[in-house]
Amino acid sequence: KAGVTQTPRYLIKTRGQQVTLSCSPISGHRSVSWYQQTPGQGLQFLFEYFSETQRNKGNFPGRFSGRQFSNSRSEMNVSTLELGDSALYLCASSLGHHKETQYFGPGTRLTVT
Amino acid sequence: AQSVSQHNHHVILSEAASLELGCNYSYGGTVNLFWYVQYPGQHLQLLLKYFSGDPLVKGIKGFEAEFIKSKFSFNLRKPSVQWSDTAEYFCAVNSDEKLTFGTGTRLTIIP
Repeated sequence: KAGVTQTPRYLIKTRGQQVTLSCSPISGHRSVSWYQQTPGQGLQFLFEYFSETQRNKGNFPGRFSGRQFSNSRSEMNVSTLELGDSALYLCASSLGHHKETQYFGPGTRLTVT
Repeated sequence: AQSVSQHNHHVILSEAASLELGCNYSYGGTVNLFWYVQYPGQHLQLLLKYFSGDPLVKGIKGFEAEFIKSKFSFNLRKPSVQWSDTAEYFCAVNSDEKLTFGTGTRLTIIP
């Protein structure tokens, strides 16, 4: 089975712009979670989607949003980018129940200048 | 809210040394416990997990972890490390709502 894929792998944006990141889960997985990884804060949970519905949300401002499509693919959007949004954004998928093992993609490295 | 503590931020060992990385969590209910590893330039990979049953779980590459419920701990161990174990190790706890990670431990193995 193919693993979790994320596109693009690298992205450079300017402050104030918006960005959309994409995640394709492992085939058959219906849950997709997003995390932000930074050297100072570690891995921080952004949100989780299951069957096109946001099931859980972390403590991030409303500039961070996401959605999930009927094929379980997910997108994450960040509007009005700030320098502090520079991070590795990780996507993880699991079969369904949020207590199950999550499998991670390679991440999208976002740099905001 | 649940939290996960990894007290060792950076550990440096020589090859063949024994390893133990600490992980403590705060949550009173039923939890699933994980150790993930991130090798340099690679994505996060599952090392091992505990859901129920035998509290001593074995993972890939000779790693094992012991769940001690009374101590809210899930420490990672390996009897003899190799240079290729150089990586960042994350403990994670999944309770009712979400997967919460510790801040990670950077492990450097000196040949």
